[in-house]
Amino acid sequence: DAGVIQSPRHEVTEMGQEVTLRCKPISGHDYLFWYRQTMMRGLELLIYFNNNVPIDDSGMPEDRFSAKMPNASFSTLKIQPSEPRDSAVYFCASSDGTATYEQYFGPGTRLTVT
Amino acid sequence: TQLLEQSPQFLSIQEGENLTVYCNSSSVFSSLQWYRQEPGEGPVLLVTVVTGGEVKKLKRLTFQFGDARKDSSLHITAAQPGDTGLYLCAGRSSSNTGKLIFGQGTTLQVKP
Repeated sequence: DAGVIQSPRHEVTEMGQEVTLRCKPISGHDYLFWYRQTMMRGLELLIYFNNNVPIDDSGMPEDRFSAKMPNASFSTLKIQPSEPRDSAVYFCASSDGTATYEQYFGPGTRLTVT
Repeated sequence: TQLLEQSPQFLSIQEGENLTVYCNSSSVFSSLQWYRQEPGEGPVLLVTVVTGGEVKKLKRLTFQFGDARKDSSLHITAAQPGDTGLYLCAGRSSSNTGKLIFGQGTTLQVKP
């Protein structure tokens, strides 16, 4: 089985530009999570979905961030406008919602905003 | 707010040494997971512990869940350079359906 797929793997953009990160979860998984990882703050949960519905978006930093999951096989995380402090590695993870909610992570998107 | 504190944050040891990483909280978790992350990759699940006092072994790695389900430890015997990486513990609250609380991580470097 293919794992969680993220694109692009690397993104370099200028401050003020729109950035869209993409994720394809593992087939059959009904939970999808977006995380951000930095040296200073570690791994932070931004938002998660269950059956395509956003459940908890309390980790989304501000209105510049938005996430959608139009169907069970695709999700996007959008930053508009981007700022240098958004530079980080963004991970998508999925889970099949078993009792222990084990999560499977994608390879991440390294975002650099100049 | 539930927090998981990991210690130490950084560990640099020689090949063959033993080490223990701790993950502590004041909150009770219904399960706790350990992940390992290598540079340029996402975290990969190593183990899940569910029952208080539970011990699981994965080759040279031994994981324990505290009796009160508030803490956990990871012990590595005879560490090897391939064990190098970031180790993350993550707990699932009993009151939450899917969210994991991650610790800040322990960066382990094993020198040959």
